[in-house]
Amino acid sequence: DVKVTQSSRYLVKRTGEKVFLECVQDMDHENMFWYRQDPGLGLRLIYFSYDVKMKEKGDIPEGYSVSREKKERFSLILESASTNQTSMYLCASSLQMNTEAFFGQGTRLTVV
Amino acid sequence: GQQVMQIPQYQHVQEGEDFTTYCNSSTTLSNIQWYKQRPGGHPVFLIQLVKSGEVKKQKRLTFQFGEAKKNSSLHITATQTTDVGTYFCAVFFSGTYKYIFGTGTRLKVLA
Repeated sequence: DVKVTQSSRYLVKRTGEKVFLECVQDMDHENMFWYRQDPGLGLRLIYFSYDVKMKEKGDIPEGYSVSREKKERFSLILESASTNQTSMYLCASSLQMNTEAFFGQGTRLTVV
Repeated sequence: GQQVMQIPQYQHVQEGEDFTTYCNSSTTLSNIQWYKQRPGGHPVFLIQLVKSGEVKKQKRLTFQFGEAKKNSSLHITATQTTDVGTYFCAVFFSGTYKYIFGTGTRLKVLA
């Protein structure tokens, strides 16, 4: 079974802190994604990557950056956390871009 | 950016009633996927539709892809409390290479 693991289930950070959210998948998938989920807004795409060292902006990239140095790992970075980045963050991976995505368990980030 | 509209946003039904959620796009889609997210959980893949007019069934769930491949629906017959959760459609837009989710329909089933 595909496993996508996010490093933390819950995080509390202070405004202005640099925050790293880590995601690892074990099925050699080419594609990895970061979404944030907020009530009434569904899952919004922040960044995605279709290969090592490749990254593409999603629909809401402002305030975020990503890193994909190894195929199995995709990190989301909040350069300077703000309260409006309080959200549930979901990482996903897929073998091909238009096929089933497998999600991690999510990280609920609170910025205070 | 490209959007996938999903309606309704919420639906409460009595156990045993039917439920339908709709997903609409302004552009023709190559395929569409459906996911279910249980409360406190993460989205889990249900099915993929590829062909125009395609209908697929999974027990009490019926998935349909529109003839013009711009819309899709998920219908649940005789809902049960285990159906509770949020249902999302998801689409890959080849022009922008983005994998986009609909806003989701949150289903609550009253026993």
